[in-house]
Amino acid sequence: GIQVEQSPPDLILQEGANSTLRCNFSDSVNNLQWFHQNPWGQLINLFYIPSGTKQNGRLSATTVATERYSLLYISSSQTTDSGVYFCAVDRTLYGNNRLAFGKGNQVVVIP
Amino acid sequence: EPEVTQTPSHQVTQMGQEVILRCVPISNHLYFYWYRQILGQKVEFLVSFYNNEISEKSEIFDDQFSVERPDGSNFTLKIRSTKLEDSAMYFCASSEDGNTEAFFGQGTRLTVV
Repeated sequence: GIQVEQSPPDLILQEGANSTLRCNFSDSVNNLQWFHQNPWGQLINLFYIPSGTKQNGRLSATTVATERYSLLYISSSQTTDSGVYFCAVDRTLYGNNRLAFGKGNQVVVIP
Repeated sequence: EPEVTQTPSHQVTQMGQEVILRCVPISNHLYFYWYRQILGQKVEFLVSFYNNEISEKSEIFDDQFSVERPDGSNFTLKIRSTKLEDSAMYFCASSEDGNTEAFFGQGTRLTVV
């Protein structure tokens, strides 16, 4: 199956700092999503971004599908940004999503 | 904003007991999914469901698992005889069609003792 690698696995940030999380995947994809898992375990949808660039407040994401990677940018980080960020991909063109998740980026933002 | 809702949020069960995890997908969505996350590990696909039948399942989804859409709104995951290793967070998800964004519920934390 498709392989998803996220880096860095762990990141400690000072509040206010910027960061970039990376997701590499081993095959072409038709779906790519970024999630934030908060300390209560909930998976929060951040971006649906199989290609291109999107922005939502202090977060933005870019997927370069031809080079098989996606980046998640966090600007002016806040303590509420702490948690695990997951990248998930699916290569199915027709049929159902079968998302393959990476192992996540554990982010800790300290005040 | 429409959301996927799961109940209960936390369930503790004795080994060997049957459990049913419940989900209400987003109302206009046609594809439904269950995923599992063992503590500290990545999220893993279990099964997808479309048009009242399983469309795909992973190797994790063995005979002790079953899914059902008993009425027009609920989607359930049944674990027939729970084992200690079934302890995990179970996520329900839905999508409008098979290729669009999947939305996840808040999860049910299952603890088997």
